[in-house]
Amino acid sequence: AQKITQTQPGMFVQEKEAVTLDCTYDTSDQSYGLFWYKQPSSGEMIFLIYQGSYDEQNATEGRYSLNFQKARKSTNLVISASQLGDSAMYFCAMGRNTGNQFYFGTGTSLTVIP
Amino acid sequence: DVKVTQSSRYLVKRTGEKVFLECVQDMDHENMFWYRQDPGLGLRLIYFSYDVKMKEKGDIPEGYSVSREKKERFSLILESASTNQTSMYLCASSSRNRGYDEKLFFGSGTQLSVL
Repeated sequence: AQKITQTQPGMFVQEKEAVTLDCTYDTSDQSYGLFWYKQPSSGEMIFLIYQGSYDEQNATEGRYSLNFQKARKSTNLVISASQLGDSAMYFCAMGRNTGNQFYFGTGTSLTVIP
Repeated sequence: DVKVTQSSRYLVKRTGEKVFLECVQDMDHENMFWYRQDPGLGLRLIYFSYDVKMKEKGDIPEGYSVSREKKERFSLILESASTNQTSMYLCASSSRNRGYDEKLFFGSGTQLSVL
């Protein structure tokens, strides 16, 4: 069975500082995709960044980057220069090659302090 | 701008009522999904559909059914709502063109309260 683990229920970060949100996954698949979504209080899930299992370089999208360690089965999200608008729930997810099924972690609530 | 639209942001129903949650996408996506989100449990898949009239059970289908009569529309039905179905419901869609790297597009969610 696939499993996504986010061990940090809540995190705080000072504005303009960097923060790392942890995510580990468990799968026997060789091909898979790893995603991070942001969910502000409005409720909508916003796609942030993607890493494929065969990608050798860590993905980056603006202030978001991934620290992908395949052997450890971890894909931590790094947010640089935190902004107040970054306060939200963050979900790690994995996509499989079968049936386009997604598996989500339980989320991390990030609060950016002014 | 591409969109997944859920018909209601907030919904209050009584125990035993039949509840319909509607979801429409304008991206011509083959796949559509219904998730339930509860604090501390993340998102759990209720049902997904990979084509018109096709559906597959997810992890928690009990108490729910779905309908997909048109490609753009995917409905979640609570035949007899119960208080333990109070939750946030999220609809999502994706293209079937590729595989594991195809991201999900989400609606804004429906917060359902069953009294």
